[in-house]
Amino acid sequence: GQQLNQSPQSMFIQEGEDVSMNCTSSSIFNTWLWYKQDPGEGPVLLIALYKAGELTSNGRLTAQFGITRKDSFLNISASIPSDVGIYFCAGREGGSEKLVFGKGTKLTVNP
Amino acid sequence: SAVISQKPSRDICQRGTSLTIQCQVDSQVTMMFWYRQQPGQSLTLIATANQGSEATYESGFVIDKFPISRPNLTFSTLTVSNMSPEDSSIYLCSVFEDSGANVLTFGAGSRLTVL
Repeated sequence: GQQLNQSPQSMFIQEGEDVSMNCTSSSIFNTWLWYKQDPGEGPVLLIALYKAGELTSNGRLTAQFGITRKDSFLNISASIPSDVGIYFCAGREGGSEKLVFGKGTKLTVNP
Repeated sequence: SAVISQKPSRDICQRGTSLTIQCQVDSQVTMMFWYRQQPGQSLTLIATANQGSEATYESGFVIDKFPISRPNLTFSTLTVSNMSPEDSSIYLCSVFEDSGANVLTFGAGSRLTVL
């Protein structure tokens, strides 16, 4: 089945630093989503992207839908301890109801 | 967005037994999705449950191992049958948000440990 390549697998940063993670696909997607999962919880949607080139912000988070429609990135600015968690990208190909998930980026923020 | 409740939140099970996970949504939804998240891994779709028809299973998942019920538009169950330690995972129920944004909302998950 379709796989998403998400990187990096993990990140260890200091509070206040900016963070960037990305996902690539071998096929064209018409939707890119970014989720965050806290321990013991299900993933929670952070940002949804529907159009190539779209750049969307949600507070300190910014995500972009790549022009080629095969990639997306998520940036977190001025990280804080509560940003700790696992971030997943997810995408949907045209005509499909199914979401494919990346393997996640585990973020650790040192105070 | 929809509020999803899953039970149990966690359980420790013995090898060879079966466990049924319940998923309750606070609104009527056409499709409900069951995902598995193995330790340290991503989310993998097990099956799509539509009310009034048999669930549609993804490659690698079969009805005998993961029977699903969908008796109405707000409820579904997933049974993990004849469990082995490899079935130790978080099982997540999800639905499309009712905003029409075509994104999934997830329950908190059911963490199963099989000894």
